[in-house]
Amino acid sequence: AQSVTQLGSHVSVSEGALVLLRCNYSSSVPPYLFWYVQYPNQGLQLLLKYTSAATLVKGINGFEAEFKKSETSFHLTKPSAHMSDAAEYFCAVSDIPSNTGKLIFGQGTTLQVKP
Amino acid sequence: EAGVTQFPSHSVIEKGQTVTLRCDPISGHDNLYWYRRVMGKEIKFLLHFVKESKQDESGMPNNRFLAERTGGTYSTLKVQPAELEDSGVYFCASTRTGVFRMDYNEQFFGPGTRLTVL
Repeated sequence: AQSVTQLGSHVSVSEGALVLLRCNYSSSVPPYLFWYVQYPNQGLQLLLKYTSAATLVKGINGFEAEFKKSETSFHLTKPSAHMSDAAEYFCAVSDIPSNTGKLIFGQGTTLQVKP
Repeated sequence: EAGVTQFPSHSVIEKGQTVTLRCDPISGHDNLYWYRRVMGKEIKFLLHFVKESKQDESGMPNNRFLAERTGGTYSTLKVQPAELEDSGVYFCASTRTGVFRMDYNEQFFGPGTRLTVL
């Protein structure tokens, strides 16, 4: 069965500092991996996705993630945090075996950006 | 293009009452998903519609939950009778159908309905 683990339910960084949100996955087949962001009172928005093309994936708002098969990781990074990045971030894997496209999510990581 | 909308945004009900949540997907999206996030836990899949047909309902917690998608447009999720453990945020998402079986199309999420059962 596929699963996702996000390390750290809360991450706090200073404005301008590096953002690193960790995600590890478990999958018996090559996975499709995603990062979603949820701003307060809004729905989840897709930041970026990995679907077996380039291992370094660039997303919106300056975020990127690198697929590392050997480490079963898909960590999300941004070189310089902005106050507007404060939100909750979710890593997810698509349940390919069931072929419904349903997503399996990690527990979420709340990012706090301090001035 | 309007996004996925959900109604109501918040609902507070007593244990034993009935609540119906509604989701309007993006026009033309055949696939509709319901997810739920119980406080402190991860977002979990409930079920998947393709048009009006239930493709996968393996995540539905029990028979107190009934989902419908008449006409393949909007969907409702009814909880009857509601229990305390049903509290959480219910998300709906929609997506187009890909040309190929393994196509991935982005799921567009609604803002969710926060359900509180007292």
